[in-house]
Amino acid sequence: EAGVAQSPRYKIIEKRQSVAFWCNPISGHATLYWYQQILGQGPKLLIQFQNNGVVDDSQLPKDRFSAERLKGVDSTLKIQPAKLEDSAVYLCASSLQATGVTYEQYFGPGTRLTVT
Amino acid sequence: AQSVTQLDSHVSVSEGTPVLLRCNYSSSYSPSLFWYVQHPNKGLQLLLKYTSAATLVKGINGFEAEFKKSETSFHLTKPSAHMSDAAEYFCVVTPFGNQFYFGTGTSLTVIP
Repeated sequence: EAGVAQSPRYKIIEKRQSVAFWCNPISGHATLYWYQQILGQGPKLLIQFQNNGVVDDSQLPKDRFSAERLKGVDSTLKIQPAKLEDSAVYLCASSLQATGVTYEQYFGPGTRLTVT
Repeated sequence: AQSVTQLDSHVSVSEGTPVLLRCNYSSSYSPSLFWYVQHPNKGLQLLLKYTSAATLVKGINGFEAEFKKSETSFHLTKPSAHMSDAAEYFCVVTPFGNQFYFGTGTSLTVIP
C-alpha cells in the first residue's frame, strides 16, 4: 500500500513570498490533516478535511494560510505572504473516515520550509 | 480540556538496557492514546495504540505501553534498546473523533 505522498520535500523562500505544498493521501482515506511542526515541538494541527469539507481550521492563520482539497483526494496548503516564523516542517496525514471510531493517522515525510 | 505531558525531553540509555519513556495525559473523555516515532528527516510512524481494549498494548519493534487510568499515564517501554531506536518519540491523546493532541516529544539516545 502506498503511503502519504508530499512535495516538495524542501523549500527555501524569502519572507513575503508565497509557497504551496501538495499532499496525496492514502487511497480510500476520507480524512486529511495538515500539521505544522516547529523545531523542538510536537506537530500542531492546522486544518482537518473530511472528504472535501473542512472539519476544523480553528488553528489555521487564515490571514496568510489557505488550504483546499479538491474532489476529496489531493490537498494543497498555501502560505501567502510567508513570515520568518513560518519556518517549520509541514506534515500531511490521512486516516479512514471517523464516525465514532478512532483511527490512526498515517503521516507523509513532510515538507521542510525555511523562510529567510 | 485535552493535553499530553511527556515528562522527559531527553532520555539516554545504553544499548541492551531497558527503555522507559513517560507520558501523562489529561482528557475530559475516555481517550484513545498513541505513540509515534520520528526518525531524522522521516515522517511519523505509528508504534502502538490504545483504544479501550486491553490496557497492555504491544507495538512494533518490541515496544509496549500500559494504559493506567488511575494514574492517567501511558508510558512506553522496551526491554532492550537497540541502536536503531534512537529517534524522537511522541505521545498522542485523542479524546473523541480524530483530533490528535501531541506531546512535545522525547528524544531517545542509545549509547553503544
